[in-house]
Amino acid sequence: AQTVTQSQPEMSVQEAETVTLSCTYDTSESDYYLFWYKQPPSRQMILVIRQEAYKQQNATENRFSVNFQKAAKSFSLKISDSQLGDAAMYFCACIIQGAQKLVFGQGTRLTINP
Amino acid sequence: DTGVSQDPRHKITKRGQNVTFRCDPISEHNRLYWYRQTLGQGPEFLTYFQNEAQLEKSRLLSDRFSAERPKGSFSTLEIQRTEQGDSAMYLCASSLTQTGGYGYTFGSGTRLTVV
Repeated sequence: AQTVTQSQPEMSVQEAETVTLSCTYDTSESDYYLFWYKQPPSRQMILVIRQEAYKQQNATENRFSVNFQKAAKSFSLKISDSQLGDAAMYFCACIIQGAQKLVFGQGTRLTINP
Repeated sequence: DTGVSQDPRHKITKRGQNVTFRCDPISEHNRLYWYRQTLGQGPEFLTYFQNEAQLEKSRLLSDRFSAERPKGSFSTLEIQRTEQGDSAMYLCASSLTQTGGYGYTFGSGTRLTVV
């Protein structure tokens, strides 16, 4: 079974600056997917970005990008030009190809300072 | 179809009472998942359905918990004889079998408070 660890319970950043959220995972499988989800105070979990393990190229979605280091089992999220609306809990998650469930980390609470 | 719907949004109940939550997934999604999220923690898997079949249950799901998905559409999660430790957010999510690699679509959750 896979495990996901987020070692930063809280992070803060000034509006318009860049912040990086860390995530490490552990799995013995070679084919899996990694995700970052955002959970604003309104509670609905929203998919921010996904990465396929077999792809070396880091995924990018507008101001959000990842640094995927497969050998190190690291999957960090970079948010550029932070906006007030980025304030939320961010969860890193992993699912093994063909497996049945998404496994989440403990989350990082991101605060944006105006 | 606007997404995954959960009802109610909030539920306050007295210890020992039974509660039932409902989840309506995206209509074409054949997989439905229940997760529990306690304050400040990540969601923890409880159970999932493929169509109407319940295929896996977590050890977190004690015998006081039961979930159903009749006809492979909406699902209900019932907690009998609630305890204070059951207080949490209960999240429902759905996906297509083939698109687990694209993540799940989550509902807004049901927040349960047991007093």
